[in-house]
Amino acid sequence: NAGVTQTPKFQVLKTGQSMTLQCAQDMNHNSMYWYRQDPGMGLRLIYYSASEGTTDKGEVPNGYNVSRLNKREFSLRLESAAPSQTSVYFCASSDLGQGEAFFGQGTRLTVV
Amino acid sequence: QQQVKQSPQSLIVQKGGISIINCAYENTAFDYFPWYQQFPGKGPALLIAIRPDVSEKKEGRFTISFNKSAKQFSLHIMDSQPGDSATYFCAASPFTGGGNKLTFGTGTQLKVEL
Repeated sequence: NAGVTQTPKFQVLKTGQSMTLQCAQDMNHNSMYWYRQDPGMGLRLIYYSASEGTTDKGEVPNGYNVSRLNKREFSLRLESAAPSQTSVYFCASSDLGQGEAFFGQGTRLTVV
Repeated sequence: QQQVKQSPQSLIVQKGGISIINCAYENTAFDYFPWYQQFPGKGPALLIAIRPDVSEKKEGRFTISFNKSAKQFSLHIMDSQPGDSATYFCAASPFTGGGNKLTFGTGTQLKVEL
């Protein structure tokens, strides 16, 4: 049982490049999330999808877009990467309501 | 605006001692308060969680104390062990009926020394 799988694990981008972070969960969860983690700031919610077919902005959505491809997959896209988007990105999933959120291993992104 | 304030930023405890991490929140709509543990290179993992209808919850060596009137909650780790060395995050979320939108504290790096 893999849980939440993120790809890639590491990525270096040049300013202005685009990329998509992939996330898949095999726990049949309805809700999925993207967080970013920066030193001294904890984890901040970028976007979430309460259920298949819906997405909504979190605390720090600027510069990002998301796609809930199906119940299992939730991708995060950076259209034009900026150095301020250098961070560790975590995908998570949970059942509806306030069930436990399960996190992936993270993607460490550096924008130069 | 930091809706969940966490302290201390770092903590060093001797093996067998008690580790205490504190959090305070502002949003009265929050009604679910989990603590997450994160090891280097890994994603956070749920440690223990509490809802405001109880003032304390204990699971093994880990206890959450909750003070609704003060809008504060804390994590106590009894008999701290070197394997507890990790970063701990408090978090909070409101009941929305659609997902668990967590607001995290800034984290506490715990080191348990022999």
